[in-house]
Amino acid sequence: DGGITQSPKYLFRKEGQNVTLSCEQNLNHDAMYWYRQDPGQGLRLIYYSQIVNDFQKGDIAEGYSVSREKKESFPLTVTSAQKNPTAFYLCASSTSGANTGELFFGEGSRLTVL
Amino acid sequence: AQRVTQPEKLLSVFKGAPVELKCNYSYSGSPELFWYVQYSRQRLQLLLRHISRESIKGFTADLNKGETSFHLKKPFAQEEDSAMYYCALSGYSGAGSYQLTFGKGTKLSVIP
Repeated sequence: DGGITQSPKYLFRKEGQNVTLSCEQNLNHDAMYWYRQDPGQGLRLIYYSQIVNDFQKGDIAEGYSVSREKKESFPLTVTSAQKNPTAFYLCASSTSGANTGELFFGEGSRLTVL
Repeated sequence: AQRVTQPEKLLSVFKGAPVELKCNYSYSGSPELFWYVQYSRQRLQLLLRHISRESIKGFTADLNKGETSFHLKKPFAQEEDSAMYYCALSGYSGAGSYQLTFGKGTKLSVIP
């Protein structure tokens, strides 16, 4: 079954702890993305990666980190520096190249900081 | 900088009534515009893109560069159209890469 798999679906964290959200894809896509979805805020881009071993900051990268060691994997770490980490996180992938615009999304991970 | 504005957070219409979800954008170059939809308990997915100029599930959207708009329209709303709709713009972000920017979304509720 092809697609994007995010885990865990639900995660609880104490303040001051780092947490890593997993994102795996078997679509053979070069590009991968992390968005944050908050009510009334839409989707905001955290980080994106156009190719293995390379990634760029999005609009709200502060307090987050990523790695792209393998084509199929793009984990997101929410660090203790993120001031308001409770949110719904969406991972997506797309073919690379000029202006595709079609992203394939995972089911999301909901992080709650206690 | 690129920006997408969806002025309505919530839009309620009766079944069979016409629907128009508004989207305005700001971008210095030639934009690529998209509509994404998220049905209840389903993944966010692409609904349509302006370059294809096609109708999907009865929805159409025309890019109006003069008004910088990309409104989504359907002549007769159905209950199954109830969902969250996001307008998105793909623009060049430098270093050979493109970035997809989303609006804040409009929740469409179709009343039986």
